[in-house]
Amino acid sequence: NAGVTQTPKFRILKIGQSMTLQCTQDMNHNYMYWYRQDPGMGLKLIYYSVGAGITDKGEVPNGYNVSRSTTEDFPLRLELAAPSQTSVYFCASSIWGTDYGYTFGSGTRLTVV
Amino acid sequence: TQLLEQSPQFLSIQEGENLTVYCNSSSVFSSLQWYRQEPGEGPVLLVTVVTGGEVKKLKRLTFQFGDARKDSSLHITAAQPGDTGLYLCAGGGQGAQKLVFGQGTRLTINP
Repeated sequence: NAGVTQTPKFRILKIGQSMTLQCTQDMNHNYMYWYRQDPGMGLKLIYYSVGAGITDKGEVPNGYNVSRSTTEDFPLRLELAAPSQTSVYFCASSIWGTDYGYTFGSGTRLTVV
Repeated sequence: TQLLEQSPQFLSIQEGENLTVYCNSSSVFSSLQWYRQEPGEGPVLLVTVVTGGEVKKLKRLTFQFGDARKDSSLHITAAQPGDTGLYLCAGGGQGAQKLVFGQGTRLTINP
């Protein structure tokens, strides 16, 4: 199994540009999450989804949008990129709720210049 | 708001030494998980503890869930350079939709 796959692995954006970070999982997990991790820091939740068609905001949703049209895919959209969005972005999934643990992707390192 | 406080935030020790990392909260959790993150990778689940007082061992790593299910500890015996990484604790609630993560402990084991 591939698990959670994130693309791209690295990206440099100019201020004001937009992009979509892709996340797909092949484990038939219901729950999916987007986190950002700034250098030397922990994880901050951006958005999450408990199933296809359902999304909800996390701690730091401003400047981001998500959609969940299928169980497998949970793309994160950045509109009008700002230097404050320079970070490493992780997608994660869970079969059902929190007690079963998360499977994380390997991350997307984004730099906004 | 549920919070998890990890201590210490940074720890640098010599190979062969023992260490303990703590994860504390004023809230009760139905489960407590520990993850390890290596540079350039996503966090990887090490263990889940669900019963108050539970102890789980993973080779040289020992994980304990507090009796009141508000805290947890990770003890590493005879640390090795391969143990280097960011250790994150995370708490789950009954029916909760998302984990509460601690801020992490960055561990460096020097050869």
